[in-house]
Amino acid sequence: LAKTTQPISMDSYEGQEVNITCSHNNIATNDYITWYQQFPSQGPRFIIQGYKTKVTNEVASLFIPADRKSSTLSLPRVSLSDTAVYYCLVGDHAGNNRKLIWGLGTSLAVNP
Amino acid sequence: KAGVTQTPRYLIKTRGQQVTLSCSPISGHRSVSWYQQTPGQGLQFLFEYFSETQRNKGNFPGRFSGRQFSNSRSEMNVSTLELGDSALYLCASSLAGVNEKLFFGSGTQLSVL
Repeated sequence: LAKTTQPISMDSYEGQEVNITCSHNNIATNDYITWYQQFPSQGPRFIIQGYKTKVTNEVASLFIPADRKSSTLSLPRVSLSDTAVYYCLVGDHAGNNRKLIWGLGTSLAVNP
Repeated sequence: KAGVTQTPRYLIKTRGQQVTLSCSPISGHRSVSWYQQTPGQGLQFLFEYFSETQRNKGNFPGRFSGRQFSNSRSEMNVSTLELGDSALYLCASSLAGVNEKLFFGSGTQLSVL
């Protein structure tokens, strides 16, 4: 079974770039890596998704090395409103039963 | 476009009772997946439904079940509630599958006394 590992928590300051790394040693060939953001009392919100190399959108970048055993979410110039829990999601395929494995999440605190 | 709607928002039950939670996906989305979130375990996948069929299942006991209707709305049922079932239950919808961009509802906070 694929397992993801993320840092439990991170601290940063406004204006800094934040990089959160997720390890997923047993990622399946057809699986994508997806990151979500969650604020208290809300459901997670999609941030970015990628398969290989680098993906960038208006809020973040995702770096995935060739072996795909890890990925790094990069948040440029964070603000206080980026304080949230960030989840790395990797689909795990076991026969006909795809079990989705979510990391425990990384709690990011952005300080003034 | 309306987002994913979950009802009720809060629920209090006692041990041994059963509960049914409802989820209305975004219009046009055919995949609905359910998750349990607790402080100690994080987000755990329960199951996914697509076109009224359960397509994927997590590692939860048979007390947890679900179904999907022809309009893609989904319900989740938990029978014989246990204290450990207290959690935030989230549902998410997507166009065709769980590896796609998921849109989550705000969840149902279930407390079992």
